[in-house]
Amino acid sequence: RKEVEQDPGPFNVPEGATVAFNCTYSNSASQSFFWYRQDCRKEPKLLMSVYSSGNEDGRFTAQLNRASQYISLLIRDSKLSDSATYLCVVNMWNGYSTLTFGKGTMLLVSP
Amino acid sequence: EAGVVQSPRYKIIEKKQPVAFWCNPISGHNTLYWYRQNLGQGPELLIRYENEEAVDDSQLPKDRFSAERLKGVDSTLKIQPAELGDSAVYLCASSPGTGVPDTQYFGPGTRLTVL
Repeated sequence: RKEVEQDPGPFNVPEGATVAFNCTYSNSASQSFFWYRQDCRKEPKLLMSVYSSGNEDGRFTAQLNRASQYISLLIRDSKLSDSATYLCVVNMWNGYSTLTFGKGTMLLVSP
Repeated sequence: EAGVVQSPRYKIIEKKQPVAFWCNPISGHNTLYWYRQNLGQGPELLIRYENEEAVDDSQLPKDRFSAERLKGVDSTLKIQPAELGDSAVYLCASSPGTGVPDTQYFGPGTRLTVL
C-alpha cells in the first residue's frame, strides 16, 4: 500500500463547478498535512495546511479525519486558473520534517 | 525576496555521462532538500541537509549519486554515470529549519533527459 494515495485523475470540470479531491495515508503517526499545487512544468507550491478542525481559504476547504486517515480538498466555484495538479502531502516529524507526496490529481477547468 | 535558485533548468545527456545540478536556497534557510520527481508522480526525497550535514540520505542511490553542501549554503547533486532511468525533474527545496514543521519552498527544478 502506498503511503499517500490520491484519486486518479484527471478531473475535467466546467467553470463554476465544485470539485473534491480525496487522499488517504497509511502511517497513523503522521503529524501534519498539506495540499500543494503544481502547475504544468512548474514547482510545487504550498496551497494550504490541513487541520483536524477543517480550514477554509476563500474557495478552498480542507478537511482531515485522523481516525480514517483521510484528507480532502474542496474547491468551490472553479476558475480556469485552478487548472493544475493537486498534491496531497503528509509530514512525519522525527526532529525534522519528512514530507511524503501523493502522485497528485490533475484538475482541468474548462470554459 | 529571491526564491530557491536552480541551474541548469534543462539538461540532456547521453547515458553513462556525468551530470551535476546546483541549488542556492533562500537566504537564511538552514534546511535544504533534494527531490526527484518522475513523470506522473509526486516528488520523492533523495537527501536532506541541516546546514552542511546530511541528516537523511537513506533514499539516495549512493552507487551513482552524490551530494554536497559546502559551507551550509549552496548545494550540488551529482550523478555519475547517468542511466536512462534517471530522466526526471530534480527539485531542490529549502526551509527555515526552525525546529518545528515548516513550509518547504521549491526551486523550479532541473529537467534531466538521459538518452
